[in-house]
Amino acid sequence: GENVEQHPSTLSVQEGDSAVIKCTYSDSASNYFPWYKQELGKRPQLIIDIRSNVGEKKDQRIAVTLNKTAKHFSLHITETQPEDSAVYFCAASPSGAGSYQLTFGKGTKLSVIP
Amino acid sequence: DSGVTQTPKHLITATGQRVTLRCSPRSGDLSVYWYQQSLDQGLQFLIQYYNGEERAKGNILERFSAQQFPDLHSELNLSSLELGDSALYFCASSVGSGDRGIVTDTQYFGPGTRLTVL
Repeated sequence: GENVEQHPSTLSVQEGDSAVIKCTYSDSASNYFPWYKQELGKRPQLIIDIRSNVGEKKDQRIAVTLNKTAKHFSLHITETQPEDSAVYFCAASPSGAGSYQLTFGKGTKLSVIP
Repeated sequence: DSGVTQTPKHLITATGQRVTLRCSPRSGDLSVYWYQQSLDQGLQFLIQYYNGEERAKGNILERFSAQQFPDLHSELNLSSLELGDSALYFCASSVGSGDRGIVTDTQYFGPGTRLTVL
């Protein structure tokens, strides 16, 4: 089955700096890659996603890039703010008939220091 | 608010017991996914239903079962509970069927049910 690895597991940045989180996946047939933000005790919230026919997608301060050849994708957050502090999960939708179940990375705890 | 609702928010029970978690998808969504989140295993896919039928199974124990009803709400049943079953259980919903050839549907998560087994 699909395996998603996520790095780093923790990341501390100064407010205003950029943060980058990287993920690799194993199943070359995966074609959908969402990123979720989760605050303590709350639900994962979708912040951005990318499909395999696109190399990059941007939404204000957040961008995601995808390299299908290398099977990795990354989340970029610019001009970080304290409210960006949370755990971020990447995910991939594996191959297999009839389902778009998500396989998640282990998460990155981002701390933005004011 | 994602539009996905889950009840109860918290559940405390004893080992060996059986519990039922409930999920109502967003209006118009036909697919329901269940995920388990624990500290050591992260977020893991358990099972998916589409329009009342089981569509995919992940790392779901035989002690666990689920169903989706005609009104599209779903229930996850956990039996013979063990200490290690303590976790956050999320359901997510999406519009489509998961049929190949159709653009993958975005999944929206509910607030979760925190299960504590004592």
